[in-house]
Amino acid sequence: EADIYQTPRYLVIGTGKKITLECSQTMGHDKMYWYQQDPGMELHLIHYSYGVNSTEKGDLSSESTVSRIRTEHFPLTLESARPSHTSQYLCASSALDWAGSGNTIYFGEGSWLTVV
Amino acid sequence: DAKTTQPNSMESNEEEPVHLPCNHSTISGTDYIHWYRQLPSQGPEYVIHGLTSNVNNRMASLAIAEDRKSSTLILHRATLRDAAVYYCILNTGANNLFFGTGTRLTVIP
Repeated sequence: EADIYQTPRYLVIGTGKKITLECSQTMGHDKMYWYQQDPGMELHLIHYSYGVNSTEKGDLSSESTVSRIRTEHFPLTLESARPSHTSQYLCASSALDWAGSGNTIYFGEGSWLTVV
Repeated sequence: DAKTTQPNSMESNEEEPVHLPCNHSTISGTDYIHWYRQLPSQGPEYVIHGLTSNVNNRMASLAIAEDRKSSTLILHRATLRDAAVYYCILNTGANNLFFGTGTRLTVIP
């Protein structure tokens, strides 16, 4: 069972508000990811991290930002939410394995964000 | 991009076996084949993975073609709880794993 947790699971906020989606994992994984997924659509990587103080942008451009001050914590922030940010945000983690690709990726249950 | 091709949807009767196909003709020698599934309103969960040999676990079996250009996820007895979107992905160790839209499995009671 995955030990990766996201909060909040559901959030409705007004346009212009600042929000932070929390993600924590207790597996000691170095790699963490944020994906964005609209209903019935593909997952798109928006941010990832190799470890503490490492953050990189993914393939899908996003107005969100992330930080990685502790290994277990990878929050995502939207400084000024807009209706176009309405989506599901999925946090994930995996062990760091430069050589191979057999490592499992563990996903949280997702955070559903609605901006009105 | 190491991409895969899957049918958009499949149906199965409850308690019958299900074979979910996946094509990955651009696979390279070190790419692992991973399968995940996503239940409604949840994040994807790991099902199984393999490199060259067929694999079995408590959830499913993975049959990998000899040339590795295709694979099949086998659910031996589909239950209603197996209704989900199933993703076949190539794990190259790179940062971005292409999940695609997967195969939506409907299980008919």
